[in-house]
Amino acid sequence: AQTVTQSQPEMSVQEAETVTLSCTYDTSENNYYLFWYKQPPSRQMILVIRQEAYKQQNATENRFSVNFQKAAKSFSLKISDSQLGDTAMYFCAFMSFGNEKLTFGTGTRLTIIP
Amino acid sequence: GAVVSQHPSRVICKSGTSVKIECRSLDFQATTMFWYRQFPKQSLMLMATSNEGSKATYEQGVEKDKFLINHASLTLSTLTVTSAHPEDSSFYICSAKPWDRKEKLFFGSGTQLSVL
Repeated sequence: AQTVTQSQPEMSVQEAETVTLSCTYDTSENNYYLFWYKQPPSRQMILVIRQEAYKQQNATENRFSVNFQKAAKSFSLKISDSQLGDTAMYFCAFMSFGNEKLTFGTGTRLTIIP
Repeated sequence: GAVVSQHPSRVICKSGTSVKIECRSLDFQATTMFWYRQFPKQSLMLMATSNEGSKATYEQGVEKDKFLINHASLTLSTLTVTSAHPEDSSFYICSAKPWDRKEKLFFGSGTQLSVL
């Protein structure tokens, strides 16, 4: 079974600064997807970014980018120029190619300080 | 983007009653839907996988007779919490997967269930 670990329960950063959220996972599979989801106070799950394991290039979406290290089984999220609206819970998640289920990490509560 | 509608958003019920939660994919067909449970300040825990036209697959430790799942059409899955008790109080979230994009999951807005 896959496991996803987020070792930072809470983080805070000043507005406009850069912050990196950590995620490690454990799997014996070679083909899979990794995700970062954002859950703001509304509790709506919002997809931030997705990475296919077979792609070496790190995914980017505007201010959000990942550092995907497949050998190390690490998948960190970098948020640049952080904004107040980035305040939320962030969940790292794993999905194998052969299984449609998402396995979530325990989450990191990120607070952007004005 | 694709929309998943989940209703109700909030429900309060008496202990012993049953509550039904609906999850609809509004602009795509979803052969598979998932039901999650989230306790305060915790992560999402998968309860069951709902497949259109067949029985749901429950995760270990989830009582299938307590949490009845029906996926009668390609756009609708329902979760019924039967004989609810205070310990069933939680935030329930559904997600739906388009039939042609396995890596795409769209989430409903969740249902906060409070059992008195």
